[in-house]
Amino acid sequence: AQSVSQHNHHVILSEAASLELGCNYSYGGTVNLFWYVQYPGQHLQLLLKYFSGDPLVKGIKGFEAEFIKSKFSFNLRKPSVQWSDTAEYFCAVAPYNTDKLIFGTGTRLQVFP
Amino acid sequence: DSGVTQTPKHLITATGQRVTLRCSPRSGDLSVYWYQQSLDQGLQFLIQYYNGEERAKGNILERFSAQQFPDLHSELNLSSLELGDSALYFCASSEARGGGAGANVLTFGAGSRLTVL
Repeated sequence: AQSVSQHNHHVILSEAASLELGCNYSYGGTVNLFWYVQYPGQHLQLLLKYFSGDPLVKGIKGFEAEFIKSKFSFNLRKPSVQWSDTAEYFCAVAPYNTDKLIFGTGTRLQVFP
Repeated sequence: DSGVTQTPKHLITATGQRVTLRCSPRSGDLSVYWYQQSLDQGLQFLIQYYNGEERAKGNILERFSAQQFPDLHSELNLSSLELGDSALYFCASSEARGGGAGANVLTFGAGSRLTVL
């Protein structure tokens, strides 16, 4: 069965620190990849997505993610986090030609000023 | 406001009861997805409807059912509720351009928080 693993359940950083959140998936075929963010008390919002092409994808608010096919990974990065980045981050995978979107368990990020 | 409307926002009920959660998709979106978010399970895909028809099924219990109506709103029915059903239930919608290409971008509602006592 397809699955998504997010290794970091809870990350605590100070402002201006660099961020990398890991995401690995298990599926042998073509996939579309997503990162969603859920700010406190809000709905999930799309942060960035990868369908094809350049494996380095840039999203909103300075976030980027790199798809490494050989490692089945889609890690999220930001060079310098802000207090407003405090949120829960979800990686998601959609196997091509299906309507399923499979989420990881999420990573809670806390940024302290 | 994402454009996906979910009601009620909060619901407290007792074990054994039945509840209905409602979702109105974003204007123009034909596909509705239901997800359950609990502390220990993360975001679990339950079921998806496209233009009134069931399209994909995930980890949905037999006590749960859903449907999408001609006006495209959807309802998730949860019956014989157990303590473990307490969770946040999210609805999401997408344009779902028919091909099931997995390229759909989902827009989520704010969720319905169900507490079973």
